[in-house]
Amino acid sequence: DQQVKQNSPSLSVQEGRISILNCDYTNSMFDYFLWYKKYPAEGPTFLISISSIKDKNEDGRFTVFLNKSAKHLSLHIVPSQPGDSAVYFCAASDWSNFGNEKLTFGTGTRLTIIP
Amino acid sequence: DTGVSQNPRHKITKRGQNVTFRCDPISEHNRLYWYRQTLGQGPEFLTYFQNEAQLEKSRLLSDRFSAERPKGSFSTLEIQRTEQGDSAMYLCASSLNSGDTDTQYFGPGTRLTVL
Repeated sequence: DQQVKQNSPSLSVQEGRISILNCDYTNSMFDYFLWYKKYPAEGPTFLISISSIKDKNEDGRFTVFLNKSAKHLSLHIVPSQPGDSAVYFCAASDWSNFGNEKLTFGTGTRLTIIP
Repeated sequence: DTGVSQNPRHKITKRGQNVTFRCDPISEHNRLYWYRQTLGQGPEFLTYFQNEAQLEKSRLLSDRFSAERPKGSFSTLEIQRTEQGDSAMYLCASSLNSGDTDTQYFGPGTRLTVL
């Protein structure tokens, strides 16, 4: 049972435009969400997180939006740069009960920025 | 380099052999995690330690798998009698559990190939 879903395996975006990566979850106990970026032959790199008490969090070019009623979150990258080309993973945890002890990851979306 | 390090980066072994991987976390991080990632999937949680105590093990961690963190610093993951289904990327992460935030930072992983 895939509790965190990233339904788009790949996404191509023109350089300078907005990239929007989507993530859905089914476990209503999840209350903390993270995005990681992964380059080939490297481990995932933490990008940005959001707790369920917020609906938006920004860090530079990266913004994460959370819609709790829809159990949906999205990562916006503006403007997109060639170095953003990577696989992006959405992850979730039941923070209030267990902290971030166990992250549940989606299957990833491969983002390609076209120069 | 003060990030999470893992050794070896690649391991090729024959079915039935034992293998051991090592993870060195970010110094002063009290939590250490092991994940496994197979092709086309996101990382899957295996186990985690708080200091030297192993606090949770996934049902993915069969009896052939054992993890230790004897002095609360580095950790080892051993797989006995390897099977072809064990072929995967094994990722280690560490975090500082401070009660307020607990972001996991990943190492580059050890890619295991079982022939």
